[in-house]
Amino acid sequence: DQQVKQNSPSLSVQEGRISILNCDYTNSMFDYFLWYKKYPAEGPTFLISISSIKDKNEDGRFTVFLNKSAKHLSLHIVPSQPGDSAVYFCAASGGTYKYIFGTGTRLKVLA
Amino acid sequence: DVKVTQSSRYLVKRTGEKVFLECVQDMDHENMFWYRQDPGLGLRLIYFSYDVKMKEKGDIPEGYSVSREKKERFSLILESASTNQTSMYLCASSREGHSWQPQHFGDGTRLSIL
Repeated sequence: DQQVKQNSPSLSVQEGRISILNCDYTNSMFDYFLWYKKYPAEGPTFLISISSIKDKNEDGRFTVFLNKSAKHLSLHIVPSQPGDSAVYFCAASGGTYKYIFGTGTRLKVLA
Repeated sequence: DVKVTQSSRYLVKRTGEKVFLECVQDMDHENMFWYRQDPGLGLRLIYFSYDVKMKEKGDIPEGYSVSREKKERFSLILESASTNQTSMYLCASSREGHSWQPQHFGDGTRLSIL
């Protein structure tokens, strides 16, 4: 049973436009969410996080939105740059050291 | 900056061999993790350790064991390698504390079992 779902395996966006990556979860006990970015042949790197007590967190070009009632979070990248092309994973935790990861969305930003 | 180092980037082994994957972190983190990454399945937790000599099973521990004799080192052991263990293996570490501590990953070991 996939508790964290990224239903779009891939996404293509024009440079300068907004990229929106989505993530759904099923466990209402999750209280912390993170986004990771992964380039080929490298490990995932932490990008941005959000606690369940917030509905938005911003860091430069990256903003994460959390809709608890819909059990949905999204990552917005504005403006998108070619260097943002990577696989993005969302992850969720319910008060333990363990994170449950989604299956990833491959973002391609076209120049 | 946190550095998580995995001993091999690529490894080829034969079915039935005992395989050791090594991971070292240099930030005195209490927690360490082993994941495998497969296409369409994302990252799945194999084992994690929250202290020296302490370990807990993750979601897919079957066929694996781990060892943590020193705080900075966490080893993943494939007791008798099988072809379905061909995968990308990722090690991670994080600080002690609330779940909001992000995990820092190594660059991965791509393991092929022939």
